[in-house]
Amino acid sequence: TQLLEQSPQFLSIQEGENLTVYCNSSSVFSSLQWYRQEPGEGPVLLVTVVTGGEVKKLKRLTFQFGDARKDSSLHITAAQTGDTGLYLCAGEHNYGQNFVFGPGTRLSVLP
Amino acid sequence: DTEVTQTPKHLVMGMTNKKSLKCEQHMGHRAMYWYKQKAKKPPELMFVYSYEKLSINESVPSRFSPECPNSSLLNLHLHALQPEDSALYLCASSRPGAGPDGYTFGSGTRLTVV
Repeated sequence: TQLLEQSPQFLSIQEGENLTVYCNSSSVFSSLQWYRQEPGEGPVLLVTVVTGGEVKKLKRLTFQFGDARKDSSLHITAAQTGDTGLYLCAGEHNYGQNFVFGPGTRLSVLP
Repeated sequence: DTEVTQTPKHLVMGMTNKKSLKCEQHMGHRAMYWYKQKAKKPPELMFVYSYEKLSINESVPSRFSPECPNSSLLNLHLHALQPEDSALYLCASSRPGAGPDGYTFGSGTRLTVV
């Protein structure tokens, strides 16, 4: 079983601050995805990273895939209250039909 | 249409009831999934259908019975559930293999077993 770890588990910050959350594994993934989930809703895909060392930007969010394709980070600049939610990383192994979710980072951005 | 639609949104059922959860997508995705999510936990995979055939069953108890009548529909039949089965049940779809588009999730059915 390929396991994903995420850190921190919980994060509470003030609006306007920057933050980074991490997703780590001992396994190599063919792709890694970040989702955000709000209470009572399903996860929504933010980004997919495929190439080792890849960096993708989505407005104030910057995603990086590690060179060895075993880890990833999500950096949020100038956090807003609308960024509050559960951030899940998910790794796909061998281009298979299922992938593993990390336990998530629960982010709370306070006004 | 870029959505996965799940019905009902909320369901309360007794332990002797039989009910079904429904999921529908019209994106041409050929893989569909059922996930179970308990509070403050990540989604846990239950079943995967690929080209309307069950390809993965993650050792789910037989009181959960999936069905894929066609490429757009996925059902989860529930019978004799236990209170610990109360959870958010999420349906997702994708091309076979997640690929760059990832999975598209529905909003889920909040199930309470009493």
